[in-house]
Amino acid sequence: EVQMVESGGGLVKPGGSLRLSCAVSGFTFTAYSLNWVRQAPGRGLEWVSSISQSGNHIYYADSVKGRFTISRDNAENSLYLQMSTLRAEDTAVYYCARQNMVRDSHNYYYYYMDVWGTGTTVTVS
Amino acid sequence: EIVLTQSPGTLSLSPGERANLSCRASQTFFSTLLSWYQQKPGQAPRLLIYGASKRASGVPDRFSGSGSGTDFTLTIVNTEPDDLAVYFCHQFDRSPYTFGQGTKLEIK
Repeated sequence: EVQMVESGGGLVKPGGSLRLSCAVSGFTFTAYSLNWVRQAPGRGLEWVSSISQSGNHIYYADSVKGRFTISRDNAENSLYLQMSTLRAEDTAVYYCARQNMVRDSHNYYYYYMDVWGTGTTVTVS
Repeated sequence: EIVLTQSPGTLSLSPGERANLSCRASQTFFSTLLSWYQQKPGQAPRLLIYGASKRASGVPDRFSGSGSGTDFTLTIVNTEPDDLAVYFCHQFDRSPYTFGQGTKLEIK
C-alpha cells in the first residue's frame, strides 16, 4: 500500500525549533520529488517546500526561506523538514506529498501531487 | 509569483445541480501543470484533476476540468451530498508552487 506518514509535530514556543519527518512506503522513494504543504487553522493550503529525487533541487516559499530546511534520506525512505525560528503564523497542519511526473506521447510533462500523508500538527505558542 | 484566484468563495447547490468552479492565474502557464484537489472536512487533500483536464485514478466522471492559459474550470455535474468539500487549484509551473484560496462547496 502506498503510504506517507508524517510525525514530529507538537507544541513549541516562538523562536523554537522542530523537525518533522515523513515516512514513505509502497513506492520507489528515489523516483519522486517530494513536497511539504501546510494548512493553518481554518485557512487554505500553502505550499512550503519541494525537493528533487536526488536532493539537488530545492525550493521554498518566501514565508519560510532561511528558517526551514527540507531534506531527504533515500536510504531510509524518509523526508524531513527542519523548522527553526518558529513564529505563531507557522501554526498549521503539515502534509508531505508525492510529486508525480508523467510525460505523454507529445512530450508534454504533467506535474501534480498524487499521494498525501494525513498530516502532523504544529502549534507555535 | 503566480497568483491563483478562485471563485466563487462559496457555492451552495442542491443535489443534482451543476457546479462550475473557476481558477484564474495572474500569468499564463502550461495547462499540464494545473491540478485540482478536493479536501473534505478533517481529511487530507485528494487529487482530482491533473493537467487541467485529466481525471486522477478513481475519480468519478462527474468531475471534469478544462481551460488553458490563465483560465481554468472544475465542473461537477449531478452534485451529491458527498461532494461537500473545499476545492483547490494548484500550479507547478514555477516556484513558489502556489494554491488558489479554495472554493467551498455546500450541498443544501
